Order: sequence, then structure tokens, then C-alpha cells
Amino acid sequence: QQQVKQSPQSLIVQKGGISIINCAYENTAFDYFPWYQQFPGKGPALLIAIRPDVSEKKEGRFTISFNKSAKQFSLHIMDSQPGDSATYFCAASMRVGNEKLTFGTGTRLTIIP
Amino acid sequence: GAVVSQHPSRVICKSGTSVKIECRSLDFQATTMFWYRQFPKQSLMLMATSNEGSKATYEQGVEKDKFLINHASLTLSTLTVTSAHPEDSSFYICSARPGQGRGQETQYFGPGTRLLVL
Repeated sequence: QQQVKQSPQSLIVQKGGISIINCAYENTAFDYFPWYQQFPGKGPALLIAIRPDVSEKKEGRFTISFNKSAKQFSLHIMDSQPGDSATYFCAASMRVGNEKLTFGTGTRLTIIP
Repeated sequence: GAVVSQHPSRVICKSGTSVKIECRSLDFQATTMFWYRQFPKQSLMLMATSNEGSKATYEQGVEKDKFLINHASLTLSTLTVTSAHPEDSSFYICSARPGQGRGQETQYFGPGTRLLVL
């Protein structure tokens, strides 16, 4: 019940295109859903996060879409750039109580010119 | 804001020696810090959760006598890998959670420490 399933495992998108990464969770007690970006040899960096009281959150080229009834959330990267090439992790946790992040398995994104 | 540092960034040691890794929250007080381990091309594996002034809580399968965690202050946590062996070679990453105020639920990650045990 603690799992967060992430897909696809790898993704290749042309420059200027839209990159879409999907995650699904099981634990309905989760109420905080962040996305992290990780470059090789570096620690993960918080990209954007959402709480279940909204269905969408946008920050620049990055948008999270959240479907509470389906227990799914996704990351959309608009106008994808070569600099976006990295590994992306979705995660979920409870804001109060169990503080641990449950991570997805990661998506390696490659943006080609 | 919300910067977390780790030291050292890379360490090479001989089998049997102990290695200490420091994790500091530079511009906020972290009520909770976390230690992760990451193998190549894999996700982050939580090793333990530490709260300032109390004993760390270790995840199932993580040897607490092997991986000693000390959270001495609200800005510093240390991970000591005791009697390191080649199988302990990995990328160790810490994170810190403010616990109050804006972004209290957010975990901010350090840059990681690459440990190679020969």
C-alpha cells in the first residue's frame, strides 16, 4: 500500500515537445506529492509539488496534474529543452505523521535536438 | 533558501575503516533529517530518519550498528559507516525537513556523497 508506481522508465522527447511522466499511488492517506529532478552525480532537487486539494499546479514550464479519484498524478514539461535531460522522481508522503517520502522508480528523460 | 550541504562529496577508503559523512541545513532549522542510499540507475532507498536529540529510526534491513546516525543539532546530522566494506560503496544522500513554517513538509536534499571502499 506504500508503493508509488512511475512510468515510463525512460523517455525520449524532441526539443520543444511535451514530456509527460505518470505516477500512481495506493495509500489514500498520502496528501503531499512532490516531483524531484536529479542530474548524474547530484542530489535530487525539488521541482514542483502539489496537495490533493487542487487538480493542477503550474510553475513555469512545469505542470502537475492530479486526479484524486484515480489516485494518479503526472508531470508535464512544456517546450522541453536539452537542459531538462535528467532523471525525474515522483514521490508521496503525509504532511503530518509519517513524514517519509515514498519514491517512484524514476524516469530517465532525454531531450534530443 | 533551503540549502542542504554534505561533506565530503567523495571519499575513498580502505576496507575496515570508518567513514563519517556530515549533513548540514545551511539556512533553516531541520527538525527531521533523512539518510538515503542510491545505487546506479535506481531510486532512493531510505536508510533512516533522525530527529534532533533523539535516536534515529532505521528502516527494515538497515543495520543500526553499521550505519551510526547522530542528529546533534537542528542543523547537523552525521552518518558514520563503520568498518566499511566494498559492498557499502554507494551514493549516500541526506535530506532535511524544516518541520514548521512554509514548506514544512518539503524535504530538501543535499548534493550527495560518493563512497568507494577498496
